[in-house]
Amino acid sequence: AQSVAQPEDQVNVAEGNPLTVKCTYSVSGNPYLFWYVQYPNRGLQFLLKYITGDNLVKGSYGFEAEFNKSQTSFHLKKPSALVSDSALYFCAVRDPNYGGSQGNLIFGKGTKLSVKP
Amino acid sequence: SQTIHQWPATLVQPVGSPLSLECTVEGTSNPNLYWYRQAAGRGLQLLFYSVGIGQISSEVPQNLSASRPQDRQFILSSKKLLLSDSGFYLCASTSGGSYNEQFFGPGTRLTVL
Repeated sequence: AQSVAQPEDQVNVAEGNPLTVKCTYSVSGNPYLFWYVQYPNRGLQFLLKYITGDNLVKGSYGFEAEFNKSQTSFHLKKPSALVSDSALYFCAVRDPNYGGSQGNLIFGKGTKLSVKP
Repeated sequence: SQTIHQWPATLVQPVGSPLSLECTVEGTSNPNLYWYRQAAGRGLQLLFYSVGIGQISSEVPQNLSASRPQDRQFILSSKKLLLSDSGFYLCASTSGGSYNEQFFGPGTRLTVL
């Protein structure tokens, strides 16, 4: 079965410091991996995705993520955090070997990022 | 890219009343459409998805139903709301292949009193 885990409910970072939001996944084949951000009372915004190729993926707002197949991880990173990065972050996985309901995105429970000035 | 519209933005309804939430999509054709519910600003629960007009799959048994009368229109309904139906409802769309991301609407905050 497919699954995705975000082990931290909350991550606290000081402004200007690097940030990491963790994500691990479980799929039977090669995964498609996604990161989304959600600001309060808003819909989810797409940040970046890994489909194939270079393991380091760059996305919106200076975020990047590294696909690590051996550790089944796709951690979100940013070299220097901003207060405006404070939001809820979701990791999602899709197994391209499946169609129907099994081909849908599976979302993690979300990690709240808090960046303090 | 796609644009997802949802309305209303907020809704307060009494228990036992009906519900109709609407989602429309611009910028694509023949999308897969999804309804999610998010409780307490946390995880997403997939309620329904649709791969075409009139085709609805339900992920969890519940008090809600969905319909897709047009290619880019997705409606979430209930005949009688329960307190537990309160939450933040998100519509999403994806098209063009399984490697493509889902685009989300702004959401509807439903409070059932």
